[in-house]
Parts: sequence; C-alpha cells; structure tokens
Amino acid sequence: DAGVIQSPRHEVTEMGQEVTLRCKPISGHDYLFWYRQTMMRGLELLIYFNNNVPIDDSGMPEDRFSAKMPNASFSTLKIQPSEPRDSAVYFCASKAGLNTEAFFGQGTRLTVV
Amino acid sequence: GENVEQHPSTLSVQEGDSAVIKCTYSDSASNYFPWYKQELGKRPQLIIDIRSNVGEKKDQRIAVTLNKTAKHFSLHITETQPEDSAVYFCAVGEYNNNDMRFGAGTRLTVK
Repeated sequence: DAGVIQSPRHEVTEMGQEVTLRCKPISGHDYLFWYRQTMMRGLELLIYFNNNVPIDDSGMPEDRFSAKMPNASFSTLKIQPSEPRDSAVYFCASKAGLNTEAFFGQGTRLTVV
Repeated sequence: GENVEQHPSTLSVQEGDSAVIKCTYSDSASNYFPWYKQELGKRPQLIIDIRSNVGEKKDQRIAVTLNKTAKHFSLHITETQPEDSAVYFCAVGEYNNNDMRFGAGTRLTVK
C-alpha cells in the first residue's frame, strides 16, 4: 500500500476562493482524521470519520469548513471562502481500528494570500 | 473533550544526554497513549505507544512511562543523537470516542 495520499501537496490561493483538499486513506482503515498544523496551535483535530460517517466535527473552526467522505477510499476538506488565517499544513490520517497506529499523509501546505 | 498538555515546548540537550518530555491529560477514560516524531517538513510518525494496562514500555533508546492515577505519561530518550532532533507529539486516545488528540509538541534539539 502506498500509504495515506493527500493532494495537492501545496496550494496557494487568494482570499475568498474555494479550496478543496483531498485524501485517500490506507485501504481497509475504518477511521479517517483531518488535522490542521500551525506553529501557534500545534496539531488540531478538525473532524474524524468512522466507516465514512462523521463522528466528531467539534474541531471544525467555523462554517466555512466542511468535510465529506463519500466512500471508504476518499475524503475532502473544503474551505469556502478561504481567509489568510486558514494558512497552515493540513494532514489527513487513517487507522485500522481502536487504539491502533494512525498513519499520516504527507500533508497539504495551504497558503491563502 | 480531552485536554492534552505537553511540556516543555522546547528542549535542548547535549549529544549523549537523556531527554524527557511529559504530557498530562484530563479524561480518566483515556487508554491509549502514542508518541509521534515529526522531522522538519515531514509527516508525524509513530515511534512508540502504550496502553493503559501497562506502566512502562521500552524500545531500544526510547521508553514511555504511564501514571494513570496522576494522568500523565512521559517519553524518555537516552543517549540522544543528532538524528533525534525533531518535534515530538504526545497523543491520547479514548476507547469510547476513538478520536486522537495531540499535545502542542516539543521541539527537541540535540547539539
């Protein structure tokens, strides 16, 4: 397996534009997590899914953020409209089950100018 | 939700010395405690984990200790080497929620 795959690796966009980040988890993993990493706030859990169903989205900062998981092999995190303070590295991670290792993708570095 | 605090935020040691990073958590139901290492520009990767039925676990130069009563756990790195320089994150998982929340990270520099 190629591991967790995220795209794009880098995204530069103008304020107000819509941004879509993509993630393909490891095949067979039931859990998928979206994290945001900044120097100030570290690794923040935004939302996680179990069997494609969102379980906890309390970390989503505001309504501009939305996440979907239409099937077991694909998830998106969308920001609309984007703002400069959304600039961060966004990581997707997946794991197989209870109290197991979470595998991270390489991350998407988002810059909103 | 779970509140995870990690200390120190930065740590500088001489090569060969030991390094200790400590995390505390708030939810007594938490039962899974992994540690991740993130090298510059790379993704976090698991280096060691411990479950609540164990008090200590070792893997070569790395060890983790858990005190469930006090709700804290620590990462110990002995005989540090320059390649140990990275940001280390603790995390906490809970049986019922199955989410995983991270501490703020510790930037370790081995000189």
